[in-house]
Amino acid sequence: QSALTQPASVSGSPGQSITISCTGTSRDVGRYNYVSWYQQHPGKAPKLIIYDVSNRPSGVSSRFSGSKSGNAASLTISGLQPEDEADYYCSSYTGTSSPWIFGGGTKLTVL
Amino acid sequence: EVQVVESGGGLVQPGGSLRLSCAASGFTFSRYWMSWVRQAPGKGLEWVANIKEDGSVKQYVDSVKGRCTISRDNAKDSLYLQMNSLRAEDTAVYYCATNQDYTFSSWGQGTLVIVSS
Repeated sequence: QSALTQPASVSGSPGQSITISCTGTSRDVGRYNYVSWYQQHPGKAPKLIIYDVSNRPSGVSSRFSGSKSGNAASLTISGLQPEDEADYYCSSYTGTSSPWIFGGGTKLTVL
Repeated sequence: EVQVVESGGGLVQPGGSLRLSCAASGFTFSRYWMSWVRQAPGKGLEWVANIKEDGSVKQYVDSVKGRCTISRDNAKDSLYLQMNSLRAEDTAVYYCATNQDYTFSSWGQGTLVIVSS
C-alpha cells in the first residue's frame, strides 16, 4: 500500500493560516474517518494533534483543525505561531493486514 | 501521566539481531493495542507492527514479515520487538506507541537502531 501524499513543504507568516493536504485513496482516507495528524519537532517524538479526521486531544490548541473530503484530508493551522514550525504527518487506517499508512510528511516553516 | 520508554537500540551488523523493549506506565497497559513505528534518518514515519491487548493478534508491515516478532508481557507492562536478519534499510529510530481507537495516542522518545558493518 502506497504512502499518503503530502506536500513536502508549506510556509506562512505569524498570524496567518495554512492548510496541509493529505491525499489517499478510496481504500483508506476515502473509506474510513480514521485520519490522524501528528506534529514532530526536530529530534522529538511525534505528538498527536488531530484524530478521527477532526477531533483534538485534550490540551491541543484550537488553532489546529482537521477536515476531509472524498479521498483527501486537510490540516489547518490558524494564527500561526513560531512554535508551530515542525514536521506534520497524516496517517490513515486501512482495514487491511497492514492497517496503518502515513503520509511522507510536510515541513512547515513560519517565516 | 501516560509514559512509554523504549530501550535496546544500538549498532548491529547486517544479518544480526536486536530486541527492543518498551516500558509502559501511567495507564492500564493490558487494555490497549500497541504498535512499533519507525523513522529512518531524515525520512517519514512507517508503521512496523502492532499487537492486540491480549497478544492474540499480531500484524506486520510486509518489509519485516518473517524477520520481526512483536510480543508483550502484560504482567510487566512491557512491549517488545525481536528483530532478526537485520538489513541496512532497517536503520531507524523505533518508537513505541499506544493505539487508542484508531490512532497513535502516545509515543515514546524512540530508540535508534543502526545496521552497519
